[in-house]
Amino acid sequence: AQTVTQSQPEMSVQEAETVTLSCTYDTSESDYYLFWYKQPPSRQMILVIRQEAYKQQNATENRFSVNFQKAAKSFSLKISDSQLGDAAMYFCAYRRVNTGNQFYFGTGTSLTVIP
Amino acid sequence: DAGVIQSPRHEVTEMGQEVTLRCKPISGHDYLFWYRQTMMRGLELLIYFNNNVPIDDSGMPEDRFSAKMPNASFSTLKIQPSEPRDSAVYFCASSLQRDHYNEQFFGPGTRLTVL
Repeated sequence: AQTVTQSQPEMSVQEAETVTLSCTYDTSESDYYLFWYKQPPSRQMILVIRQEAYKQQNATENRFSVNFQKAAKSFSLKISDSQLGDAAMYFCAYRRVNTGNQFYFGTGTSLTVIP
Repeated sequence: DAGVIQSPRHEVTEMGQEVTLRCKPISGHDYLFWYRQTMMRGLELLIYFNNNVPIDDSGMPEDRFSAKMPNASFSTLKIQPSEPRDSAVYFCASSLQRDHYNEQFFGPGTRLTVL
């Protein structure tokens, strides 16, 4: 089974500052998809950003961007200009290509934003 | 679209009782997933369906758990008899095969408490 590791159970950042959440994964596949989901206190899981492994360019969505290092099997999430509303649990997820739609989730990183 | 709908949002029951959780996926989606989230075990995939057919139920903890998808717009997860260790948040998610990323859309979850 695929393994997704988030080594930072908790992180904190000052409002308006930048924070990076780490994620590594284990796979022998050459093509796959990676995702970051946000889970605020409301519990709703919300997609933040996604990346396809064969694309060299790092995905960006407004203040959220990723640093995808395929050789290192690393997929970190950078949040710029952190806002109070960014406080949430963040989950990294992996999906293989063409073998069902099963996602493999990491254990999550709890992000606190300090005013 | 209303998104993935789950009911009830909260359920409190006593040990030994039958519990039924319900999910309505996004219209047109052909994959449906049931997850369980706890502090100790994180987000666990219990079972998923493709076109109403169960594909992988290896995550179902034991025979007390069962899931059905009688049609494309409705699924149930049943626990009979329930036990205190089943207390968790249960999520339903759906996705569309022909969508390039097969992103999973999550419902708001059902918080189950078994006394």
